[in-house]
Amino acid sequence: QQQVKQSPQSLIVQKGGISIINCAYENTAFDYFPWYQQFPGKGPALLIAIRPDVSEKKEGRFTISFNKSAKQFSLHIMDSQPGDSATYFCAASMYSGYSTLTFGKGTMLLVSP
Amino acid sequence: GAVVSQHPSWVICKSGTSVKIECRSLDFQATTMFWYRQFPKQSLMLMATSNEGSKATYEQGVEKDKFLINHASLTLSTLTVTSAHPEDSSFYICSARGVGPSEQYFGPGTRLTVT
Repeated sequence: QQQVKQSPQSLIVQKGGISIINCAYENTAFDYFPWYQQFPGKGPALLIAIRPDVSEKKEGRFTISFNKSAKQFSLHIMDSQPGDSATYFCAASMYSGYSTLTFGKGTMLLVSP
Repeated sequence: GAVVSQHPSWVICKSGTSVKIECRSLDFQATTMFWYRQFPKQSLMLMATSNEGSKATYEQGVEKDKFLINHASLTLSTLTVTSAHPEDSSFYICSARGVGPSEQYFGPGTRLTVT
């Protein structure tokens, strides 16, 4: 019930391409879905987050798509750049319930020049 | 976004000694702080949750006597690894959440190596 499944485990995208990372959750009580970006040796940084009241949220080159009925959400990185090469984690929690984050296992993204 | 700092960023200690890691929220009051552990190429594993002025809540399998957590103020939480052993070597990351429902902001992490 608490799992968040993330795929793919690793991803190689050419510069300028679109990177897509998918997550699926089981707990229907989750209502907060953030994405974190982590560079080697650094802590995760909040990239973008979505609540279930919208199906899509865009911030610059980063877009979250959310499908409540399928219990899935995804991160799209448009015009991927070598500087985007990092590990990306999706997460889920109950926003108003002060709950802890349940993380996916992460996706290592490599954007080739 | 809000800023969370950790100190030290890396530490090497001998087996059997204790190490204290500090986590500070620099520009907001953190009513709740979290401590995570991360092994190479793995996800974050929540160790414990602490609320200011209260005892920490530890996740199943985390030894509370080994990983002492103190959240004495709204801007500071500490994690003390007592009698450290090589298997405690890991990347420890704290995060903080402000008043009410809000985002969780992570510190830069502390690399602990026990020799």
